[in-house]
Amino acid sequence: DIQMTQSPSSLSASVGDRVTITCRASQTISNFLIWYQQRPGTAPRLLISGASSLQGGVPSRFSASGSGTDFSLTISSLQPEDFATYYCQQTYSTPLTFGGGTKVEIK
Amino acid sequence: QVQLVQSGAEVKKPGSSVKVSCKASGGTLDSNAFSWVRQAPGQGLEWMGGIIPLFGKINYAQRFQGRVTITADGSTFISYMEMTNLTSDDTAVYYCARGRPGTEFDPWGQGTLVTVSS
Repeated sequence: DIQMTQSPSSLSASVGDRVTITCRASQTISNFLIWYQQRPGTAPRLLISGASSLQGGVPSRFSASGSGTDFSLTISSLQPEDFATYYCQQTYSTPLTFGGGTKVEIK
Repeated sequence: QVQLVQSGAEVKKPGSSVKVSCKASGGTLDSNAFSWVRQAPGQGLEWMGGIIPLFGKINYAQRFQGRVTITADGSTFISYMEMTNLTSDDTAVYYCARGRPGTEFDPWGQGTLVTVSS
């Protein structure tokens, strides 16, 4: 199974801060890397597909990059609605594994 | 656009079974693939398995193999996830999502809380 390791597991930041979350795969997954946002009590929301393609309706302050085994998600200027938990997922091979999540909290 | 609507919350006894449904509506559905993901309280996301009705292809995560059955009706665009021999460790929110290996999961159902308690 491909292990997905996210870091940090949590972070505290202020509105307006730049935040970067990293995700590492235990073996190469090309660009089969997805990012989701999950607010408390709601289903995950797709943010990024194909490692770097922003989904329609997702604010441009979100960006992502990476290929192979190392990936990152950046929020350029944190907004109040961005405080949530973020998950990466590999869809390269089954089982389709998720990272452990990064909880972004208000400082 | 496609929406996924899941069945309601369930309370089950240990050793029993549960069957959760997920109905797709709107948009183009003929190429749908369904995946099932669970989230235990306060925990992360765990892929359970998925089905591509058009090809009759089903995959399961190893830990759920033999205890979970995922089915789908391609004519009614409904997927089902049945889990047997429930324990308290199966208490979780169960999500369906449109997606399969190689693609993103989007959209997601609203989630179904399954509580296993004696």
